Amino acid sequence: EADIYQTPRYLVIGTGKKITLECSQTMGHDKMYWYQQDPGMELHLIHYSYGVNSTEKGDLSSESTVSRIRTEHFPLTLESARPSHTSQYLCASSESTRGNTGELFFGEGSRLTVL
Amino acid sequence: QKEVEQNSGPLSVPEGAIASLNCTYSDRGSQSFFWYRQYSGKSPELIMSIYSNGDKEDGRFTAQLNKASQYVSLLIRDSQPSDSATYLCALGAGGGNKLTFGTGTQLKVEL
Repeated sequence: EADIYQTPRYLVIGTGKKITLECSQTMGHDKMYWYQQDPGMELHLIHYSYGVNSTEKGDLSSESTVSRIRTEHFPLTLESARPSHTSQYLCASSESTRGNTGELFFGEGSRLTVL
Repeated sequence: QKEVEQNSGPLSVPEGAIASLNCTYSDRGSQSFFWYRQYSGKSPELIMSIYSNGDKEDGRFTAQLNKASQYVSLLIRDSQPSDSATYLCALGAGGGNKLTFGTGTQLKVEL
């Protein structure tokens, strides 16, 4: 069973608010990721990190930012939420492996609705 | 052309039948291939990984990889209603740790 936790699970907020989606894992994984998924659509990578103080933007442009100050923690922040940010945000982690990509463990997701 | 192509379905099969899910990809540099299962409203969970050409079996699941033809498939034998979910195909490039996902195929196993 994966030990990766996301809070809040559901969030409804008004336009212009600052929000932070929390993600923590207790598996000691170096690599962490944020994916965005709309209903019936594919997962899009928006941010990833290969270790402390390492963050990169993913394939899908996002106005959100991330930080990685501790191995286990990878929060995502939106400074000013807009209705276009309404989506499901999935956090994942994986072990460092040489060569092939390892298995991703996903959190339960944070469903964000911006009114 | 999308990097990972899957038929969105729904694919309907009767209980006990074999469900066949297919995925084609465009990046010949892909070296890691995964099938994830995602129940409605839930997160994806890994059910199979395959790295070399041929078949890999795990219980009722068999993954098949053909790099020359750039496709990977998932067979589910003795399909159960609990198998009803969306199945996501995902690829990783060699040495990298980012996965590219397809849109998924919705499978419905009917009684």
